[in-house]
Amino acid sequence: GEDVEQSLFLSVREGDSSVINCTYTDSSSTYLYWYKQEPGAGLQLLTYIFSNMDMKQDQRLTVLLNKKDKHLSLRIADTQTGDSAIYFCAEKSRAGTASKLTFGTGTRLQVTL
Amino acid sequence: EADIYQTPRYLVIGTGKKITLECSQTMGHDKMYWYQQDPGMELHLIHYSYGVNSTEKGDLSSESTVSRIRTEHFPLTLESARPSHTSQYLCASSKRDRDLEQYFGPGTRLTVT
Repeated sequence: GEDVEQSLFLSVREGDSSVINCTYTDSSSTYLYWYKQEPGAGLQLLTYIFSNMDMKQDQRLTVLLNKKDKHLSLRIADTQTGDSAIYFCAEKSRAGTASKLTFGTGTRLQVTL
Repeated sequence: EADIYQTPRYLVIGTGKKITLECSQTMGHDKMYWYQQDPGMELHLIHYSYGVNSTEKGDLSSESTVSRIRTEHFPLTLESARPSHTSQYLCASSKRDRDLEQYFGPGTRLTVT
């Protein structure tokens, strides 16, 4: 079955870079995603990467994919207090003939002044 | 911002009551999902639907039921609430051909006393 693991907690100072890591087990995953959940809110899609890519950059966000090690990371440059949230990685997996998302355990990012 | 709504946002109810959590989206998305989020943050898919009159159970066994009579509406019902049902319930939707870009509602936090 699918298993997606993340570290539970990360604390960084404002202005520093944050790196949130994720490991997954389904080698057939074609898409991998990063979602952000702010307190009391639903999840918001931040970015995604196709499995034939190594890196994707979108403004302050950089996604790195190491398909050999099944490792995904999200780097947030110049981290701001508004980046404090829970970050979930997710992989595409199969549910019978359909496809679905399997979410990681979530990483709580705390940004300090 | 995604147009997907959930009501109520918070609900505290006694054991044995029947409850319905509402989810509506105005984006015309064919696919809709219900996730249960533990206090420890993990998300688990409990139901999904790929269109009107289509409903499927997700990864996590749930005593809840769902219906999809209209495209825009995907309510979740618990016939007899129990304290073990206390959780955050998140609804999501996606387009038919981009089903892994899911848009989430703000969630319903349910407490059963």
